[in-house]
Amino acid sequence: NAGVMQNPRHLVRRRGQEARLRCSPMKGHSHVYWYRQLPEEGLKFMVYLQKENIIDESGMPKERFSAEFPKEGPSILRIQQVVRGDSAAYFCASSPQTHYGYTFGSGTRLTVV
Amino acid sequence: KNQVEQSPQSLIILEGKNCTLQCNYTVSPFSNLRWYKQDTGRGPVSLTIMTFSENTKSNGRYTATLDADTKQSSLHITASQLSDSASYICVVSPFGDTGRRALTFGSGTRLQVQP
Repeated sequence: NAGVMQNPRHLVRRRGQEARLRCSPMKGHSHVYWYRQLPEEGLKFMVYLQKENIIDESGMPKERFSAEFPKEGPSILRIQQVVRGDSAAYFCASSPQTHYGYTFGSGTRLTVV
Repeated sequence: KNQVEQSPQSLIILEGKNCTLQCNYTVSPFSNLRWYKQDTGRGPVSLTIMTFSENTKSNGRYTATLDADTKQSSLHITASQLSDSASYICVVSPFGDTGRRALTFGSGTRLQVQP
């Protein structure tokens, strides 16, 4: 039973490019959460999704960031026109029920050059 | 002001020694409190989870305590090992887990165990 799979592990983008981060939840988990962690800081909530629905996006920046969790396939966190300040580790977690039994992925480290 | 405050920010101890990490929270009402271990470059891994009615939970050499009256929790690590070097994160879940409120994370305590 594979854990939460995130890819890529490392992503380098030039300023102005788009970044796509993927998260495949654990088998049987229909709840997905995205968090951002800046260097030397704690995890910050971004968005909570269930299949085909955004439940809570209160932590998402209003511009350039979007997330989806389609009926088939992984959840995608998309960052358009990246800037240096977007450089961070992005973690995905999944759970079988709301906020219960969280399991985190190993994260995607985005570097904007 | 963060609703979950952890102390100390960082801690260095010698291998074999015990240590205690603190977590104070203001999230109210809350459903459960969790401690996670995050190794450098990895995702957080759950150590313990306690509901408001529990006051202690153990996982091997890790023991978490909870005082819901004073809104304090601690994580005690016994006989530390080099592999305990990591960040330890306190996370509080709001009451009801309605799905519209996210978990509140502390900023973590960075523990370094030296030989």
